[in-house]
Amino acid sequence: NAGVTQTPKFQVLKTGQSMTLQCAQDMNHEYMSWYRQDPGMGLRLIHYSVGAGITDQGEVPNGYNVSRSTTEDFPLRLLSAAPSQTSVYFCASSYFGLDYEQYFGPGTRLTVT
Amino acid sequence: SQQGEEDPQALSIQEGENATMNCSYKTSINNLQWYRQNSGRGLVHLILIRSNEREKHSGRLRVTLDTSKKSSSLLITASRAADTASYFCAPVEGTASKLTFGTGTRLQVTL
Repeated sequence: NAGVTQTPKFQVLKTGQSMTLQCAQDMNHEYMSWYRQDPGMGLRLIHYSVGAGITDQGEVPNGYNVSRSTTEDFPLRLLSAAPSQTSVYFCASSYFGLDYEQYFGPGTRLTVT
Repeated sequence: SQQGEEDPQALSIQEGENATMNCSYKTSINNLQWYRQNSGRGLVHLILIRSNEREKHSGRLRVTLDTSKKSSSLLITASRAADTASYFCAPVEGTASKLTFGTGTRLQVTL
């Protein structure tokens, strides 16, 4: 199993550009989520999904869109990038339930200039 | 969902020593999970302790949970340089799976 994969690893955007961060998992996990990590801030939940066709907002959803058309994929879209979205983005997945661990991807480092 | 608060924020010890870090949370939980993050990498799950458990071991890791004090501790025995990382706790309440994280404890193990 490849686990959770994220592409790209690094990205530089100009303010106002849009892009999609890709996340895929091959473990048949129902639950997937996106986090951003800023220095000294820990991880903050952006959006999450409990299954194909179902998404919901986390703590910091503004400026981001998600969709979940398949169990495997959970892309994160930045509609109009802003410098405040400079961060490291992590995708995670798990089985849906109380006692399951989450598996994290390696992250995407995004810089918005 | 609630986030845990890890304490201390930073911890520096020598190889071979034990490292203890603590986590406090605010409301009732179903379980509490600990994760490790090596610099620049994604989080890795270490151990899960359920609300009806008081102590759990996994290799050199020992986790305790005190639901009356709403706190947990993670002990790493005989630390190695490879244990250098940030450690996060995640209390899990209510509906499943949604985890939130605090700022973590940064552990530095020196030779």
